[in-house]
Amino acid sequence: GAGVSQSPRYKVAKRGQDVALRCDPISGHVSLFWYQQALGQGPEFLTYFQNEAQLDKSGLPSDRFFAERPEGSVSTLKIQRTQQEDSAVYLCASSRGTGSNEKLFFGSGTQLSVL
Amino acid sequence: GQQVMQIPQYQHVQEGEDFTTYCNSSTTLSNIQWYKQRPGGHPVFLIQLVKSGEVKKQKRLTFQFGEAKKNSSLHITATQTTDVGTYFCAGKDGGSQGNLIFGKGTKLSVKP
Repeated sequence: GAGVSQSPRYKVAKRGQDVALRCDPISGHVSLFWYQQALGQGPEFLTYFQNEAQLDKSGLPSDRFFAERPEGSVSTLKIQRTQQEDSAVYLCASSRGTGSNEKLFFGSGTQLSVL
Repeated sequence: GQQVMQIPQYQHVQEGEDFTTYCNSSTTLSNIQWYKQRPGGHPVFLIQLVKSGEVKKQKRLTFQFGEAKKNSSLHITATQTTDVGTYFCAGKDGGSQGNLIFGKGTKLSVKP
C-alpha cells in the first residue's frame, strides 16, 4: 500500500473489555513496530517484529498486551481486560529492512479511550 | 535502560525568530533520527545522523550530532507558521535489537 494503515482510527472500550488493533504496513517492509503515545508524550516502544518473528517485546507493559504478525505482513495488537491507564494512541510503524539505519514510516494511529 | 531526553518541552516563538531543541542520550548512540509530528498527526521522518560531529541541513533546518554521539540538536532559522508541531529525536544505541527510543519531544508554537 501507499502507507502504513491502522484501524480502527478511534476505539472506545469499557473497562474490562478486550480490544484488537490492526496494522497494515507498507508492502514488503520487513520490520514492524508498535508504539504507545500518551497525550503530550513521545512514542514509547512496545514491541518489534522482523517478518513474523517477534524479536523484542520488552516494552509491553503487562501480560494483558499481546501482539502477533503471523504471516509477516499485517499485525494485530491485542489488549485484554482494558484499564483506564491503557488510554493512549497506539502507533504502528514499519521499515524496509532490519538495519540500524532504517527510517520508520508511521501510521495514523488508533486512539484508544477506556471508560 | 537507555533514556533520551529533550529540552525544552515547549517553545513559543514569534514568526521569524529562530528555534533550537536539544536531545541528550544516557548512552552512546549508533545513530539519531528526528521526526516531526503535526497537531493531530503522526510522526514523520525528517533526517538521520550517523557520524560523530555530523551536520546536515534541510533548507532552514540544521541538524547536528555531537562528537561523543550522545547528543544532538535541531535548529530552525526564521520560523514560519508551517513549522508548528512537536519535534522528536529518537536514538538507537549500539546494543539494541533495533527499536528506536524516542524523547518526549519539543512542542513548537509560532505566533504570526
